[in-house]
Amino acid sequence: LAKTTQPISMDSYEGQEVNITCSHNNIATNDYITWYQQFPSQGPRFIIQGYKTKVTNEVASLFIPADRKSSTLSLPRVSLSDTAVYYCLVGEGNTDKLIFGTGTRLQVFP
Amino acid sequence: GAVVSQHPSWVICKSGTSVKIECRSLDFQATTMFWYRQFPKQSLMLMATSNEGSKATYEQGVEKDKFLINHASLTLSTLTVTSAHPEDSSFYICSASSRFRYNEQFFGPGTRLTVL
Repeated sequence: LAKTTQPISMDSYEGQEVNITCSHNNIATNDYITWYQQFPSQGPRFIIQGYKTKVTNEVASLFIPADRKSSTLSLPRVSLSDTAVYYCLVGEGNTDKLIFGTGTRLQVFP
Repeated sequence: GAVVSQHPSWVICKSGTSVKIECRSLDFQATTMFWYRQFPKQSLMLMATSNEGSKATYEQGVEKDKFLINHASLTLSTLTVTSAHPEDSSFYICSASSRFRYNEQFFGPGTRLTVL
């Protein structure tokens, strides 16, 4: 069963752009890709969702290539408060279940 | 809008006791609710999916007799951990979606369960 994988961790400095990629080789045809932010001992918080190409909102952009086997969350000009774990959530093609990625721990330094 | 609450936010219990966790959708009707478990420094693992008025569907490896899920109304689902043991200590998170926004899951704040 293909896992939805992400880099374990990333470091950045305040003001920089951060790009976090999620690999989802077995994504379901009709499912969206959703990204969440999670702080310690809290539930995940919705960041952005998309199906294909590019989506942008007030906090992030989401880039999805044509084959949809990966997606990249882009956080412009990160701040210290963006230090958190970021998860992608995708539907799995075989089972049609929504599966969380392995998570990426982002540490932002001053 | 789309707020999901959980109660309690944390609970400590003795081994062998049962613990009930409530998940409520405060401002929308949740036709489907999901229960996740998250161990430290790990991703969220789906335990079960429940649709209002029907039995929950459990993921492989999750004991349905140990983790009782009830979704009796469109705004409330409960997870009861029966005869809890220390290995059940974890962070339990629920989420909810509605038939009108089925692509979105709205997450509760989580419940930290510690079994002594």
